Amino acid sequence: EAGVTQFPSHSVIEKGQTVTLRCDPISGHDNLYWYRRVMGKEIKFLLHFVKESKQDESGMPNNRFLAERTGGTYSTLKVQPAELEDSGVYFCASSQAVPGLADLGYNEQFFGPGTRLTVL
Amino acid sequence: DAKTTQPNSMESNEEEPVHLPCNHSTISGTDYIHWYRQLPSQGPEYVIHGLTSNVNNRMASLAIAEDRKSSTLILHRATLRDAAVYYCILRGFGGNQFYFGTGTSLTVIP
Repeated sequence: EAGVTQFPSHSVIEKGQTVTLRCDPISGHDNLYWYRRVMGKEIKFLLHFVKESKQDESGMPNNRFLAERTGGTYSTLKVQPAELEDSGVYFCASSQAVPGLADLGYNEQFFGPGTRLTVL
Repeated sequence: DAKTTQPNSMESNEEEPVHLPCNHSTISGTDYIHWYRQLPSQGPEYVIHGLTSNVNNRMASLAIAEDRKSSTLILHRATLRDAAVYYCILRGFGGNQFYFGTGTSLTVIP
């Protein structure tokens, strides 16, 4: 079974440009999450999709970031315009929606390898 | 979700047991304790989780203090492949996002 995949693995852009990151979750996983680690800091939650709906986007830093998940399959995270402080590694994770178990605290998240974004 | 405190780094000799501590003194009664690890150049991966009782799986064991204010991840025989950053994470009832702390960077010495 294929794991979570992310594309590209590395992106180098100039300040002010636009970048779109893509995440393909494990097939059948309704939950999709975006996290990021910037400037050597802790991994921080950005947002959570349940199918195509945004369940929680409390971690999105500002309106330069736009996440979509049309059709409830893959997701994209667009940064427009990119700033220097956006440099970091962006992780995507997915999990199954298991009725009852999620509420019991069991929600193993499967992470992708991340996209390293460098803004010059 | 409550915060966790872990040592920044630890070392272990290969094939010896490793005990990775985590303090979570503000844990609430419905918070689950999750452990993930991140190998170099990879995304985090699940290790183990528990609520109150000690847990064992093929990767590790999780020992949870009786007052639940601390826990210990136990790797029974460290291998070079276990060198990673280990994160202790609390996840609240019904919550889906994970709050990562700084983690413990484990070095395994051959």
